[in-house]
Amino acid sequence: GNSVTQMEGPVTLSEEAFLTINCTYTATGYPSLFWYVQYPGEGLQLLLKATKADDKGSNKGFEATYRKETTSFHLEKGSVQVSDSAVYFCALANFGNEKLTFGTGTRLTIIP
Amino acid sequence: DVKVTQSSRYLVKRTGEKVFLECVQDMDHENMFWYRQDPGLGLRLIYFSYDVKMKEKGDIPEGYSVSREKKERFSLILESASTNQTSMYLCASRLGGHNEQFFGPGTRLTVL
Repeated sequence: GNSVTQMEGPVTLSEEAFLTINCTYTATGYPSLFWYVQYPGEGLQLLLKATKADDKGSNKGFEATYRKETTSFHLEKGSVQVSDSAVYFCALANFGNEKLTFGTGTRLTIIP
Repeated sequence: DVKVTQSSRYLVKRTGEKVFLECVQDMDHENMFWYRQDPGLGLRLIYFSYDVKMKEKGDIPEGYSVSREKKERFSLILESASTNQTSMYLCASRLGGHNEQFFGPGTRLTVL
């Protein structure tokens, strides 16, 4: 079956630091990959996605590249801000499958 | 913008009570989902619905049921609430044939 493994948290960084949150997956076929973000007190929002190998998803300064050879979709940002403090979820869905499989989430805290 | 609303942000119930969690979406999406979110476990799918009056069990359906009488509304029912159902419950909707899911703000349920 499908599974997503992401970096254990919590992660604490200083403002303007470089961020990487690791995500690897196991899936049959060619899944679509997603990063969702959950700000305090809110539901999940789609941050970025990639639907095929070597695609790069990007949004709000965050990037992730779909690496089929390493089955990874690591989230990166060059310079984090306090407002990036949130919980980040990596997820996948197989084509034609309505269900998303989520990782356990990584809590990120940015300190000024 | 897609809007998914949930009837309550916080709810406190007693063991054995019947609990209804309501979710409404305003974008005519065919698919709707109920997840629970627990620390260290990520999001786990309870039930989903392809369309009106249709439902499918997710990964953890035990102790829950659902109802979808109208396209825009998807209800999660706890027939007899138990303390191990204390959790954050998230509803999501999705346009058929697309992978992106849109989430509501969540209901934090406490069962005493």
